[in-house]
Amino acid sequence: GAVVSQHPSWVICKSGTSVKIECRSLDFQATTMFWYRQFPKQSLMLMATSNEGSKATYEQGVEKDKFLINHASLTLSTLTVTSAHPEDSSFYICSAKKTGGVVSNQPQHFGDGTRLSIL
Amino acid sequence: KQEVTQIPAALSVPEGENLVLNCSFTDSAIYNLQWFRQDPGKGLTSLLLIQSSQREQTSGRLNASLDKSSGRSTLYIAASQPGDSATYLCAVSPGGSTLGRLYFGRGTQLTVWP
Repeated sequence: GAVVSQHPSWVICKSGTSVKIECRSLDFQATTMFWYRQFPKQSLMLMATSNEGSKATYEQGVEKDKFLINHASLTLSTLTVTSAHPEDSSFYICSAKKTGGVVSNQPQHFGDGTRLSIL
Repeated sequence: KQEVTQIPAALSVPEGENLVLNCSFTDSAIYNLQWFRQDPGKGLTSLLLIQSSQREQTSGRLNASLDKSSGRSTLYIAASQPGDSATYLCAVSPGGSTLGRLYFGRGTQLTVWP
């Protein structure tokens, strides 16, 4: 159990395009989902925390108007990279925590990531 | 701000060896520590989660220990196999947070050759 599906797995598009990435928890409900970005040979950096039914919480230095997050249901969160530019090219990974229990002690379950390449 | 360091950055060993990966963190006030495996171009697979009150967790050939007071954790892999080749990431969930955010190290890239 605890499967997280991320789609698409790979996107190549022109500069200026907006790209939407989906993160779904397939067999559990997730009140909280997280979006990370990973550059080559670097660690995962948290971009934002997505809470179902409320506004996302963004980390310092992450532009909320650039990276739009919507968490409309307990099984789906989306990240939209608006007007993407080459510097936005990266590996984006989402994770989800099961609803219920002590949230901070629940493990995070990760998707397989989306490789975004902006030409 | 919590900082997580992993040593070594890369490790190459022959099949069958027992090995230890190290993780250190600057703020000992954590809720839990988690070890993940990441294959190239893929997401993360959770290997072990140690609560702050625990000292170790075991799963198969993997054993993770936690010394919260000194800010250290080790991942021990017994009888390594080529299929263990991957990047291993350590992450801590800081104390005082109910959202469970994670701080990651840069990982140890492990290669096990036959």
